[in-house]
Amino acid sequence: EIVMTQSPATLSVSPGERATLSCRASQSVGSNLAWYQQKPGQAPRLLIYGASTRATGIPARFSGSRSGTDFTLTISSLQSEDFAVYYCQQYSNWPPTYTFGQGTKLEIK
Amino acid sequence: QVQLVESGGGVVQPGRSLRLSCAASGFTFSSFAMHWVRQAPGKGLEWVAVISYDGSSEYYADSVKGRFTISRDSSKSSLYLQMNSLRVEDTAVYYCAKDYHDYGDYNDAFDIWGQGTLVTVSS
Repeated sequence: EIVMTQSPATLSVSPGERATLSCRASQSVGSNLAWYQQKPGQAPRLLIYGASTRATGIPARFSGSRSGTDFTLTISSLQSEDFAVYYCQQYSNWPPTYTFGQGTKLEIK
Repeated sequence: QVQLVESGGGVVQPGRSLRLSCAASGFTFSSFAMHWVRQAPGKGLEWVAVISYDGSSEYYADSVKGRFTISRDSSKSSLYLQMNSLRVEDTAVYYCAKDYHDYGDYNDAFDIWGQGTLVTVSS
């Protein structure tokens, strides 16, 4: 079973500043990694797939990167609407299982 | 617009059954693999099951294998989740979601999600 570990659990950042969220896979998932944003009472929203490709309609301030089994979501200049919980997800293994990280809550500092 | 709408949630006793539905619109339903994902109250996301675009294959999380069955009816653009032998720990909001790319090989993210339907398993 592939385990996805996100850090930190909570990140406090001021509006306008940069936020960096991390996700580590317990084994190789290649670039089969997605990032989702979830606000209270809402469904998750796809931000990034393929580790670094923005989904349709996602602002350019969101970017993703990969280094081996370490993945990073960067939000370059935080807007008020960006404060939410962020999940990473791997979709790599066979037979298909899709593992989410435990989430990082991005809160206003 | 592209939309998924779940229904069928409710309160059910342990050991009983429930069937969830997900109505799809705004895209070619028969071209995309579909998923169920759940979220227990105050917790993170847990993938539950996937069915291939043509309904020929399905896979499950170990936590629900043998109890839940995913199915689809392309003539109705609908996805289903039959949940049997329900347990207290199955209590969650259940979301349906679609693969981002059509005719995928299961290695794909989920681009459209429904609003979710709450299942509460309690005596």
